[in-house]
Amino acid sequence: QSALTQPASVSGSPGQSITISCTGTGSDVGAYDYVSWYQQHPGKAPKLMISDVSKRPSGVSNRFSGSKSGNTASLTISGLQAEDEADYYCTSYTRRSTYVFGIGTKVTVL
Amino acid sequence: QVQLVESGGGAVQPGRSLRLSCAASGFTFSSLALHWVRQTPGAGLEWVARISNDGFNKYYAESVKGRLTISRDNSKKMLYLQIDDLRVEDTAVYYCSTFRGDFDHWGQGTLVTVSS
Repeated sequence: QSALTQPASVSGSPGQSITISCTGTGSDVGAYDYVSWYQQHPGKAPKLMISDVSKRPSGVSNRFSGSKSGNTASLTISGLQAEDEADYYCTSYTRRSTYVFGIGTKVTVL
Repeated sequence: QVQLVESGGGAVQPGRSLRLSCAASGFTFSSLALHWVRQTPGAGLEWVARISNDGFNKYYAESVKGRLTISRDNSKKMLYLQIDDLRVEDTAVYYCSTFRGDFDHWGQGTLVTVSS
């Protein structure tokens, strides 16, 4: 199972919006609406930001939103803030009843 | 509150075995499937294994199938990961997690370093 494809890095200025893509196949991202997004700061455990493509857990800022089209899911961060600087990973359930992560995207706030 | 505490990591030589443990508290342990996720230092996350709430169904990443065994003891609220024939590429921080959209919790991780 190959890792999902994400851009290595995305950057933006405070207040701007950025979008991170996550591309898989018809056996994972395209097969189910079970795509989640995690934020990870250095030395910390991952934190769930979006589940089931677009659901935001309690306590997560509404500046974070998710969507999916075909085999590609996306995470959008609007009103970018310094605290959003972190690594972001997508993950998807697969037809093999397993899960696969994306390679990760480093978000830099300029 | 929900707590997941991993242990059992350390420095080991290639070819040896290791058993990681995860002690859970603060939720109904026997009602949830549980997962192991690992992260190579400085690199990305890799989903490793999942076990059903009753322990009967187990799923593994292709990259580890045959060498890793996930298990649980619901009476002790413990999750385990047995790693056999350790390889340098198994060097990683291993996290246990509920990995579930409506109840997502992670431990702090335990570091396994495989080196001769």
